[in-house]
Amino acid sequence: SQQGEEDPQALSIQEGENATMNCSYKTSINNLQWYRQNSGRGLVHLILIRSNEREKHSGRLRVTLDTSKKSSSLLITASRAADTASYFCATERKAAGNKLTFGGGTRVLVKP
Amino acid sequence: GAGVSQSPSNKVTEKGKDVELRCDPISGHTALYWYRQSLGQGLEFLIYFQGNSAPDKSGLPSDRFSAERTGGSVSTLTIQRTQQEDSAVYLCASSWTGGSGNTIYFGEGSWLTVV
Repeated sequence: SQQGEEDPQALSIQEGENATMNCSYKTSINNLQWYRQNSGRGLVHLILIRSNEREKHSGRLRVTLDTSKKSSSLLITASRAADTASYFCATERKAAGNKLTFGGGTRVLVKP
Repeated sequence: GAGVSQSPSNKVTEKGKDVELRCDPISGHTALYWYRQSLGQGLEFLIYFQGNSAPDKSGLPSDRFSAERTGGSVSTLTIQRTQQEDSAVYLCASSWTGGSGNTIYFGEGSWLTVV
């Protein structure tokens, strides 16, 4: 099974609203990364948060990590129609040779 | 180009035929991944190459799937005797090293349709 699991699977919001999606994982990680995918094409890296960090910001993105709950959240503030995409979390574990394992993704639709 | 390049971008093949998918990673990247993504689904890990280490093949779904990486650069994913359930996007990605905290860079994928 996937190391990371996102919820919700799909999210529909109005432009200007915030979008929040969550990622849960099962075993200890080195870091957790969030990626974005437009229309089934290649994924693009958004942000990385290390296991000893609790929160990171990048522009309109805010990521939190709670290692005690083995969960992370991605918040997109003031969403735009261009934010419509699928968002994936990926966990990196030393025990797995530092390879990245992806979850099922959250499909976000931002309506203008 | 500067990014990860994959070919072909689209491939339609008949059931039972063999296919080869190619990945050209970013120059200098020592780590290379193959993932598979079915329509509307997440990424399924297939195989991971890191430098001269033995590849991690733990994600290959059957012995019909194999991959090699020649000269530490270009990689080829081969699917023998294709089945309809092999239809998916095959995504290649690379990163500088296999060390912790590396961002991986994806190609645009090879869309495989088995008819």
